[in-house]
Amino acid sequence: NAGVTQTPKFRVLKTGQSMTLLCAQDMNHEYMYWYRQDPGMGLRLIHYSVGEGTTAKGEVPDGYNVSRLKKQNFLLGLESAAPSQTSVYFCASSDRGGREQYFGPGTRLTVT
Amino acid sequence: GQQLNQSPQSMFIQEGEDVSMNCTSSSIFNTWLWYKQDPGEGPVLLIALYKAGELTSNGRLTAQFGITRKDSFLNISASIPSDVGIYFCAGQRGAQKLVFGQGTRLTINP
Repeated sequence: NAGVTQTPKFRVLKTGQSMTLLCAQDMNHEYMYWYRQDPGMGLRLIHYSVGEGTTAKGEVPDGYNVSRLKKQNFLLGLESAAPSQTSVYFCASSDRGGREQYFGPGTRLTVT
Repeated sequence: GQQLNQSPQSMFIQEGEDVSMNCTSSSIFNTWLWYKQDPGEGPVLLIALYKAGELTSNGRLTAQFGITRKDSFLNISASIPSDVGIYFCAGQRGAQKLVFGQGTRLTINP
């Protein structure tokens, strides 16, 4: 099993550009999550999904959109990137109940 | 949003020493998790705790779920170079989302 994978690993955007980050999991998990990690801030939840076709806002959702069209995939979109969105983005998944979350390797995004 | 207070923020120790870190909250949690993150990687789950007072080991790592349900502790015995990294605690109440601490950065001098 590959676990949780994320693409791309690195990306540089200019202010105002858009992009989509892809997360895939092969553990048949119901729940999926997107976090951002900034220095000294730990992990903050952006959006999450408790099943195919569902999404919900987390702690810092502004400027991001998500979609969960397939159970194994969770997409994070930035419609108009801003420098404040420079961060490392992690995807995670867990089984029903959402306790033990398993993380992907991360995407390092820089917005200039 | 709610944050857990994790301490210390950083530790500089000698190889072979024991390590202790903790996480506290003003709220009660019914699940505590401990993760380790290596540079350039995602967090990896080390230990999960589900009952107040529970003590669980994973090799040289031991974690405890505090009796008050508002804290948790992680100990590492006889540290080795590969223990270097950032350790995160995370707590959960019911079906709510995980709340993460800010992390403890562990540095080991050989």
